[in-house]
Amino acid sequence: DQQVKQNSPSLSVQEGRISILNCDYTNSMFDYFLWYKKYPAEGPTFLISISSIKDKNEDGRFTVFLNKSAKHLSLHIVPSQPGDSAVYFCAALGGGADGLTFGKGTHLIIQP
Amino acid sequence: SQTIHQWPATLVQPVGSPLSLECTVEGTSNPNLYWYRQAAGRGLQLLFYSVGIGQISSEVPQNLSASRPQDRQFILSSKKLLLSDSGFYLCAWSGGTNEQYFGPGTRLTVT
Repeated sequence: DQQVKQNSPSLSVQEGRISILNCDYTNSMFDYFLWYKKYPAEGPTFLISISSIKDKNEDGRFTVFLNKSAKHLSLHIVPSQPGDSAVYFCAALGGGADGLTFGKGTHLIIQP
Repeated sequence: SQTIHQWPATLVQPVGSPLSLECTVEGTSNPNLYWYRQAAGRGLQLLFYSVGIGQISSEVPQNLSASRPQDRQFILSSKKLLLSDSGFYLCAWSGGTNEQYFGPGTRLTVT
């Protein structure tokens, strides 16, 4: 079963606007969450993370929000730039697994 | 700074042939090392995890094996490849923090 879910396979956003990528999880034992950005045929690049004891973490244009009661997190990118076009993976740590548990990814397309 | 290398970048192998993918990390000592696979249309799945030389944990039963002969070297192997082994294989490392850092990946096509 999919413990980390990214229900939007793709998202199209106009350049300069805000991009919001969503992620839901089912395992309440996850205690750390990460977002990765991936270009085709390359390895994922770490973007930003958040501990389960926090509800927000900000780094430049990227902000991650965590709603533990809803088991939901989101990544906000503002303003969106053409170079942000990529696949974004949500990942979780903990829950009894040794490594990261990934969602299937959301393909973000920034329109000029 | 730390860097992670994987080779080869791409590989096409016939069914039943052996496999060896290599991953090395530079600029850090005693890292945790991971092998992940991304199959077509799917997210990344953890295959193996290592906390030290000779210490390997397997997440899912499969046709693959892993070894860590040196502190910063992680090898993924198979004796006989299956069609279902096709995918994008990623090595990652972590050390002291929760973040994992990925290599460039190997695209494996089994024909």
